[in-house]
Amino acid sequence: SQQGEEDPQALSIQEGENATMNCSYKTSINNLQWYRQNSGRGLVHLILIRSNEREKHSGRLRVTLDTSKKSSSLLITASRAADTASYFCATGPLDRGSTLGRLYFGRGTQLTVWP
Amino acid sequence: KAGVTQTPRYLIKTRGQQVTLSCSPISGHRSVSWYQQTPGQGLQFLFEYFSETQRNKGNFPGRFSGRQFSNSRSEMNVSTLELGDSALYLCASSSQGDRYGYTFGSGTRLTVV
Repeated sequence: SQQGEEDPQALSIQEGENATMNCSYKTSINNLQWYRQNSGRGLVHLILIRSNEREKHSGRLRVTLDTSKKSSSLLITASRAADTASYFCATGPLDRGSTLGRLYFGRGTQLTVWP
Repeated sequence: KAGVTQTPRYLIKTRGQQVTLSCSPISGHRSVSWYQQTPGQGLQFLFEYFSETQRNKGNFPGRFSGRQFSNSRSEMNVSTLELGDSALYLCASSSQGDRYGYTFGSGTRLTVV
């Protein structure tokens, strides 16, 4: 399966601390994306990193991609209580054509940030 | 700019019935995908449509079908509902460029009783 796997399954930290989540996948990819989901609602796209990129930043988010190890990490710096959510990595296939194609999601990391 | 709109938000159906869910993508987005989310299986891909053509289909039984209209709006239909079809159904749209990923709707929560 191409499905990504996040680690850890759950993470609990205090406000102000950094949160690191990891994602591993099994096959070659075109891109890897991170999404956030607040309880039972839709997913919010956070960041997309292409297979030829190694690191990307967006505000307090930093994503790395190591295609040789088939892994990615998402770092949220200076976490806030509002960051409490589930975080999913999703891989985009090589043969996606002109669209993003189907995504393969992991099971997610539940992040809880305590005030 | 309006987001992805899914209707209805909540739905309760009885086993054996059929249901139609609707998705209006962001204006200008021609690609629409559907995902099913359950606690047991996580996020599972259902379909991808682009310019009214189904480009990809996930591993779901034939009871699950979909279509896309010329205005890019999409519908998915589930016939002969089973208890296991209870899930959050998410629709997502994207433009042809991949820079921004998918924009998801808030989902339709389907409960089959």
